[in-house]
Amino acid sequence: QSVLTQPPSVSGAPGQRVTISCTGSSSNIGAGYEVHWYQNLPGRAPKLLIYAHNNRPSGVPDRFSGSKSDTSASLAITGLQAEDEADYYCQSYDTRLRLVFGTGTKVTVL
Amino acid sequence: QVQLQESGPGLVKPSETLSLTCSVSGGSITYYQWSWVRQPPGKGLEWIGYINYSGSTNYNPSLESRVTISLDTSKSQISLKLSFVTAADTAVYFCARGIPYHYIDYWGQGTLVTVSS
Repeated sequence: QSVLTQPPSVSGAPGQRVTISCTGSSSNIGAGYEVHWYQNLPGRAPKLLIYAHNNRPSGVPDRFSGSKSDTSASLAITGLQAEDEADYYCQSYDTRLRLVFGTGTKVTVL
Repeated sequence: QVQLQESGPGLVKPSETLSLTCSVSGGSITYYQWSWVRQPPGKGLEWIGYINYSGSTNYNPSLESRVTISLDTSKSQISLKLSFVTAADTAVYFCARGIPYHYIDYWGQGTLVTVSS
């Protein structure tokens, strides 16, 4: 079972800004482990979107940004586009060095 | 370009062992952390476990008693074995390459395994 909690869904109109929270604990995010974000389109493998809290791999639009504070993290999408409709997952590690994923958030573009 | 390709039976009977292989091409198998991740239909990502190049492993505690991940460096392959499967193990299984204790940078396309008699 996931130990990183995300809202099941968020939605917004094209051009709007949406944020997705990722809530952990002192056993994972709060212990200093980095938070990463993946975009999962239906029928596709997940794609790295943000690494180490707020870094974008080459090719990821700058409308995606991340932040981290204490035991939680957030992903923001500004200027929402239809192609951003997907599932998003945060990921970190825990103090037993086990990889942990968030529960996942479905982003709907209205 | 690094490519990961999962292979194995798409149908496994209940109580039997699910066996998958991930073949890595276009890059070295050394240094990295190799994970298996699954996604049941309509559900979220679940980490199954990983193996480091050193051979050390770590497994999801909910699956630990049934899982074995191994590495064949000569063939650039990572294997997954999951024993005593049930319908709850039906999922798309992904092989993934990670920077140790950081992020996953490459994923296989995934393979659907259905557990059914």
